[in-house]
Amino acid sequence: QSALTQPASVSGSPGQSITISCTGISSDVGGYNYVSWYQQHPGKAPKLMIYDVTNRPSGVSDRFSGSKSGNTASLTISGLQTEDEADYYCSSYTSNRRVFGTGTKVTVL
Amino acid sequence: EVELVQSGGVLVQPGGSLRLSCAASGFIFSSYNMNWVRQAPGKGLEWVSSIGGISTFNHADSVKGRFTISRDNAKNSLYLQMNSLRDEDTAVYYCARGWTGAFDYWGQGTLVTVSA
Repeated sequence: QSALTQPASVSGSPGQSITISCTGISSDVGGYNYVSWYQQHPGKAPKLMIYDVTNRPSGVSDRFSGSKSGNTASLTISGLQTEDEADYYCSSYTSNRRVFGTGTKVTVL
Repeated sequence: EVELVQSGGVLVQPGGSLRLSCAASGFIFSSYNMNWVRQAPGKGLEWVSSIGGISTFNHADSVKGRFTISRDNAKNSLYLQMNSLRDEDTAVYYCARGWTGAFDYWGQGTLVTVSA
């Protein structure tokens, strides 16, 4: 099972919006509405930001939103803040397994 | 409050064995799928294994036949038995609570170093 494809890096200025893509195939991202997104700061455990493509867990800022079209899912961060600087990973369910994305480093300029 | 507390890090020789543990509290352990996810130094996340509440399980191809996930619902504990360890198994191993769609709570991580 190959990793889902994410851009290596995305950057933006405070207050701007950025979007991170996550591209899979029809048997993972395209086949299920079970895409999730995780934020990871250096040396810390990942934190769930989006589940089931579009849902935000309690306590996660509404500046984070998710969507999906075909085999590509996306995470949008609106009103970028300095504390959003971190690594972000997507994940999808596939045939009794899970697959993660390659990861994207978000830099706040 | 949901908590997942993992055992400490360890150094093991190639070909050796190790059992990781993860103690859960703050939720009905038997009602949730549990998972292991690892992260090699400087690399991304990799799903390793999942186990359902009634102990149905799955493993990634990279560890199949070498690693076994298990759980003890009476002790609210998750385990990962790791055999025939290789250099490329060196990673931080996280336990995580989850369901089909996501992993919502994570342990603090355990560093496993495989080296001679």
